[in-house]
Amino acid sequence: NAGVTQTPKFRVLKTGQSMTLLCAQDMNHEYMYWYRQDPGMGLRLIHYSVGEGTTAKGEVPDGYNVSRLKKQNFLLGLESAAPSQTSVYFCASSYSMASGNWETQYFGPGTRLLVL
Amino acid sequence: GNSVTQMEGPVTLSEEAFLTINCTYTATGYPSLFWYVQYPGEGLQLLLKATKADDKGSNKGFEATYRKETTSFHLEKGSVQVSDSAVYFCALSESGGSNYKLTFGKGTLLTVNP
Repeated sequence: NAGVTQTPKFRVLKTGQSMTLLCAQDMNHEYMYWYRQDPGMGLRLIHYSVGEGTTAKGEVPDGYNVSRLKKQNFLLGLESAAPSQTSVYFCASSYSMASGNWETQYFGPGTRLLVL
Repeated sequence: GNSVTQMEGPVTLSEEAFLTINCTYTATGYPSLFWYVQYPGEGLQLLLKATKADDKGSNKGFEATYRKETTSFHLEKGSVQVSDSAVYFCALSESGGSNYKLTFGKGTLLTVNP
């Protein structure tokens, strides 16, 4: 089991460029999450999904879009990157019918994004 | 809304010292409480949890007790090791309808010196 994987590991963008971050999980989890981690701010939830085809806004959704077309994948899009979106982005997943436990989240290794 | 406040860091200790990282919370209802740990260059991983008042979560020598009367969930370890150096996050769960989220504190950086 690879667990939660994230692509790419590191990216540099210029202001105004777009990109998509990919998160994949092989644990058959229903719920998936995107967070950003900034110094002194902890983890802040951007968007999340409680099932294939569903998404919901988190604490800091502005400037981001997400899609969950397949259960195992959760995509985070930046349509027009801004320097304020320089951050480390973490994906997480949780909850399977087998475990019945949604509260234990499994995190990917992170994507470091620098917007110039 | 729900919130988590944890001890400001960084915390620097010598090996075998006693560790306490304070965490208090504000929540409606009866959330579950968690400590997650982030080792350098990695994602977060669950360290321990407690699901109701007076429950004690424990793992790898770390402990935390869910105190409803003081709305606290302080992390303790009797004798830290260099390998415990990491960022520690306190978190609480909220659920209802289609809402299944964790709220994290800002994290506390722990450095343990040999």
